Amino acid sequence: EAGVTQFPSHSVIEKGQTVTLRCDPISGHDNLYWYRRVMGKEIKFLLHFVKESKQDESGMPNNRFLAERTGGTYSTLKVQPAELEDSGVYFCASSPLVAGGSYEQYFGPGTRLTVT
Amino acid sequence: RKEVEQDPGPFNVPEGATVAFNCTYSNSASQSFFWYRQDCRKEPKLLMSVYSSGNEDGRFTAQLNRASQYISLLIRDSKLSDSATYLCVVGGQNFVFGPGTRLSVLP
Repeated sequence: EAGVTQFPSHSVIEKGQTVTLRCDPISGHDNLYWYRRVMGKEIKFLLHFVKESKQDESGMPNNRFLAERTGGTYSTLKVQPAELEDSGVYFCASSPLVAGGSYEQYFGPGTRLTVT
Repeated sequence: RKEVEQDPGPFNVPEGATVAFNCTYSNSASQSFFWYRQDCRKEPKLLMSVYSSGNEDGRFTAQLNRASQYISLLIRDSKLSDSATYLCVVGGQNFVFGPGTRLSVLP
């Protein structure tokens, strides 16, 4: 079974440019999550989709970040315009939809974003 | 205070040693608990879920004390391949990650 995939693996952009990250969850996983790890800090939650709906976007840093999951399959995370502090590793994770509690999440390899 | 705290590390231990990781969490409403390992520049990989009754998977044993809001991971007979950062993860609405504890198993 294919795992969570993310594209691109690396992206280097200049401040002010736009970048779009993509995540393909494990097939059949209705829950999709985005996380970010800034250098020297712990992994932080950004947002959570259940199918195509945003369940929780409380971790999104500001309105320069836009996440979508049209059709409830893959998801995109767009940063526009990018700032230096957006640099970090963006992880996507997915899990099946189960009642009560949090099921184990399976992580993609991450996209390393560098804003110069 | 961070929501999830872990031993600062790093831990440097010889092969065959037993090593214990500690984790505390602040949100008493947390519902699920996990240990993930993360190799350098890789994604977190699930090591094991943690249950109130405690659970064991080979050389790995995890314990949860809800009253103390404390989670532990014990690795017995450590191998070189156990070298990684161990992340304590607490789930409620979503996952909250600890900062991780780095382990280096030395030959």
